[in-house]
Amino acid sequence: DAKTTQPTSMDCAEGRAANLPCNHSTISGNEYVYWYRQIHSQGPQYIIHGLKNNETNEMASLIITEDRKSSTLILPHATLRDTAVYYCIVRVGNNAGNMLTFGGGTRLMVKP
Amino acid sequence: DSGVTQTPKHLITATGQRVTLRCSPRSGDLSVYWYQQSLDQGLQFLIHYYNGEERAKGNILERFSAQQFPDLHSELNLSSLELGDSALYFCASSPSFSPSGGAGNEQFFGPGTRLTVL
Repeated sequence: DAKTTQPTSMDCAEGRAANLPCNHSTISGNEYVYWYRQIHSQGPQYIIHGLKNNETNEMASLIITEDRKSSTLILPHATLRDTAVYYCIVRVGNNAGNMLTFGGGTRLMVKP
Repeated sequence: DSGVTQTPKHLITATGQRVTLRCSPRSGDLSVYWYQQSLDQGLQFLIHYYNGEERAKGNILERFSAQQFPDLHSELNLSSLELGDSALYFCASSPSFSPSGGAGNEQFFGPGTRLTVL
């Protein structure tokens, strides 16, 4: 699976959009971008995933650049409950399994 | 609530002992994954089962084993416990197992079992 690079930490004001970047310059054509988050010591939570088109769901939007070498997760109106570590994961399933490889992630602090 | 349940929530035991952690996947999910999260190692994949069969192993120690039963629940057995095994253990389930990595492969995590080895 391709390696990802994320900032270690970010701050965001409550009510503002949180834009979390992820670089994955070695991504292959069949690899998807997944985002998960982990609120302190809870189980990681699936947020969204995409291949090349931008995606939106009730939690967030995912913007993937045309060359697919980077992406941005957007939380449109961050709340204090969005304070968490956000993981960007690039992966493709194969016969060896679909495990997730977690890096260090970005620690997002939403401030009042 | 992800729909994945894990028991027990907390477990405190002594070195050398053996424990069993249990996971019930979301209804209908055939894949179960186990992960370990310790302070110094982050989240690490241990093992994956699909419909009762082992599909992949990560950095799982030989002292650890797992299985998935016909009703699809899974158990992770940890034996000869050492202080370094203290960690959060998460189980996750997913609807399917597709080589494409796309829809159906998103994983839903349980609340975890916190294991403390004294």
